[in-house]
Amino acid sequence: NAGVTQTPKFRILKIGQSMTLQCTQDMNHNYMYWYRQDPGMGLKLIYYSVGAGITDKGEVPNGYNVSRSTTEDFPLRLELAAPSQTSVYFCASSVAGDTQYFGPGTRLTVL
Amino acid sequence: GENVEQHPSTLSVQEGDSAVIKCTYSDSASNYFPWYKQELGKRPQLIIDIRSNVGEKKDQRIAVTLNKTAKHFSLHITETQPEDSAVYFCAVTVQINDYKLSFGAGTTVTVRA
Repeated sequence: NAGVTQTPKFRILKIGQSMTLQCTQDMNHNYMYWYRQDPGMGLKLIYYSVGAGITDKGEVPNGYNVSRSTTEDFPLRLELAAPSQTSVYFCASSVAGDTQYFGPGTRLTVL
Repeated sequence: GENVEQHPSTLSVQEGDSAVIKCTYSDSASNYFPWYKQELGKRPQLIIDIRSNVGEKKDQRIAVTLNKTAKHFSLHITETQPEDSAVYFCAVTVQINDYKLSFGAGTTVTVRA
């Protein structure tokens, strides 16, 4: 199993551009999550999903959108990128109520 | 979301000594308390967790204790080694309603040789 994979690893965006961060897991986990981690800080939940077709907002959802059309994939969409969205983004997945497994992260810089 | 406070923010220990990190939370319904270790530039990885029906759990040099009455839990690392140097995050979830994690701000642990 590859576990949780994320692409791209790094990306630089200009203000106002859009992009999609990809996340895929091959563990058949129902639960998937998107977090952002600012330098020297903990992780903040952006969006999460309890299964295909079901998504919900986390702590910091503004400026982001998600979709969950399959169990495996949970892409995060950034519309109109802003410097405040410069961060490291982690995707995670889990069986309900159990350990969350994290992907390797995407480092995003908005200039 | 759940309010999680983590202390200290940095911790420097001599190799072989013990390290203790403490987290407090606000929601008395919280019932799952994992600890994650994050090495520089890497992803967070679970090192130990505890559920609300247990007061203490050990795994080799790592232990977690939970005080539900006082709403705090602690990570204990004994016989620290250089490879224990990392950022450690506590987290809390209320599993009855959802499985979202609220993370503490992290503790940077440095083990001096």
